[in-house]
Amino acid sequence: EPEVTQTPSHQVTQMGQEVILRCVPISNHLYFYWYRQILGQKVEFLVSFYNNEISEKSEIFDDQFSVERPDGSNFTLKIRSTKLEDSAMYFCASSRGGGSNTEAFFGQGTRLTVV
Amino acid sequence: KNEVEQSPQNLTAQEGEFITINCSYSVGISALHWLQQHPGGGIVSLFMLSSGKKKHGRLIATINIQEKHSSLHITASHPRDSAVYICAVSRVSRLTFGEGTQLTVNP
Repeated sequence: EPEVTQTPSHQVTQMGQEVILRCVPISNHLYFYWYRQILGQKVEFLVSFYNNEISEKSEIFDDQFSVERPDGSNFTLKIRSTKLEDSAMYFCASSRGGGSNTEAFFGQGTRLTVV
Repeated sequence: KNEVEQSPQNLTAQEGEFITINCSYSVGISALHWLQQHPGGGIVSLFMLSSGKKKHGRLIATINIQEKHSSLHITASHPRDSAVYICAVSRVSRLTFGEGTQLTVNP
């Protein structure tokens, strides 16, 4: 069964460093998303991406964050200068369509720890 | 006030019991999703529904659009059902999540 794949599963980084979280969405999906979950809190939307551009972003997704689809298979989230409060589980998701009636499939997540 | 509220926050049951988790929302939605999150953190989609009722194995999800309420039922619960169950609603291109319900099923 096709699945969304995220790497790495766990990343530890020093405050102020840049990190890139990687995702391989399901191959025939066209819409891509990043969500995050701070420990003990609910999952929060960061950004949605379609046709090589951001279609929607939340107030969390500030200038420190960027997304990219560098090739036909990968979808990345970059955090330019990490802060302690960026420590969270980051989930990538993809869907075939972009309408709100389309099921999203989630990856297993990348646990980011900023020290 | 959260746009998506779940109850209860925590639920402990004995194997075989019938379980109900509730979700209420306060905004207009296109669809409601039930998801499962295991201790490792991964999220699995269980149901997406915009009306009526859906069933998959021992899981049943219902939604009442007029009352802005949905329920997830688990029949004949098993210890492997232990997980966090999350309700989320679709609005535009994003999902808005509830806080989740931690379910523990004891043998």
